Amino acid sequence: EAQVTQNPRYLITVTGKKLTVTCSQNMNHEYMSWYRQDPGLGLRQIYYSMNVEVTDKGDVPEGYKVSRKEKRNFPLILESPSPNQTSLYFCASSSLGGTGSQETQYFGPGTRLLVL
Amino acid sequence: QKEVEQNSGPLSVPEGAIASLNCTYSDRGSQSFFWYRQYSGKSPELIMSIYSNGDKEDGRFTAQLNKASQYVSLLIRDSQPSDSATYLCAVNPYFNKFYFGSGTKLNVKP
Repeated sequence: EAQVTQNPRYLITVTGKKLTVTCSQNMNHEYMSWYRQDPGLGLRQIYYSMNVEVTDKGDVPEGYKVSRKEKRNFPLILESPSPNQTSLYFCASSSLGGTGSQETQYFGPGTRLLVL
Repeated sequence: QKEVEQNSGPLSVPEGAIASLNCTYSDRGSQSFFWYRQYSGKSPELIMSIYSNGDKEDGRFTAQLNKASQYVSLLIRDSQPSDSATYLCAVNPYFNKFYFGSGTKLNVKP
């Protein structure tokens, strides 16, 4: 089954304690992305990756890191979480069309993070 | 100015009616447009994609695109209570960026 998986699904942590949220896709997609979703603000892009070892900042990258060592995995790292990073996080992946345009993005189930 | 604007709603329609959801975007060069449905606490799922001016129909759903007016809409015919969700408009202005609206909440009343 084609899917994007994220772990953990729920996480409660304390300020400053490093954490990693994993994301994996089995569709051989080149493009992967992380979003956070907050009430009234919609989905905002944190980081994205066009392929292995190619990553770039989205609109709200502060406080986050990513890596893309393998095509299927795209972990999100919070080195020193703060309460303003409490949010619902989604990983997504898509293939790139022939003209370089995006095909449909497929989303993971989401990770709900609470930073105390 | 936000990249993608949607009325947050809620939009309430009776069962069987047509629901009309609207979205405007700011980047005139945008080429790809998507409508996602998101149930509370769940991940977005694709409803429709549209790339050319005009209408695109898929079952009860019709997406409409007007690039000159920078306007995208989604019509849901014969609305069902199961259509009650938040609908997200997404725009892909260039290959590495996706912008989402904040979503319109739709309530379909039995």
